[in-house]
Amino acid sequence: SQQGEEDPQALSIQEGENATMNCSYKTSINNLQWYRQNSGRGLVHLILIRSNEREKHSGRLRVTLDTSKKSSSLLITASRAADTASYFCAPSLVRAQKLVFGQGTRLTINP
Amino acid sequence: DAEITQSPRHKITETGRQVTLACHQTWNHNNMFWYRQDLGHGLRLIHYSYGVHDTNKGEVSDGYSVSRSNTEDLPLTLESAASSQTSVYFCASSKTTQETQYFGPGTRLLVL
Repeated sequence: SQQGEEDPQALSIQEGENATMNCSYKTSINNLQWYRQNSGRGLVHLILIRSNEREKHSGRLRVTLDTSKKSSSLLITASRAADTASYFCAPSLVRAQKLVFGQGTRLTINP
Repeated sequence: DAEITQSPRHKITETGRQVTLACHQTWNHNNMFWYRQDLGHGLRLIHYSYGVHDTNKGEVSDGYSVSRSNTEDLPLTLESAASSQTSVYFCASSKTTQETQYFGPGTRLLVL
């Protein structure tokens, strides 16, 4: 089964609102990464949070990691139409030594 | 600037034909990966390589093969294309197994 599972599968909000996406995983990780995919394009790396970190910021992005709950969240503040995309989390598993992608959250920002 | 490219970007083929998708990176990364992306399944790992002459099977490797003769290239071969292999294929590379993966633009493959 997929290790990185995003929730919700789809999210639609108004421009200017904040968007929160969640990710759960099952086993120990080295780090957890978030990627964005615009329609018809390849994935683009957004942010990496290491297993010993709890929170990380990058511009309007805020990522949290709770290793005790095996979960992470991605917050996009003050959303823009250009944020419309699919967002994937990818835990880097200690055992597997590779990333495992979930099915993603489809985010739609309405003008 | 370093980059990762895939070719062709679009391909239509018939069942039973052999197809090779190319992936080329100029990052000088040791690790390279092939994924397929289908609705309802997200990204699934087909094959990966941690260096020259190293190849490993991913979760959906049946019907696919790869070879790594140099650092820059990891071609993906469909030995005998099947309609179930209609998909979008992405190649990626990374410096180490734990670091950021850089993705190519993808190849849309249609098997008729």
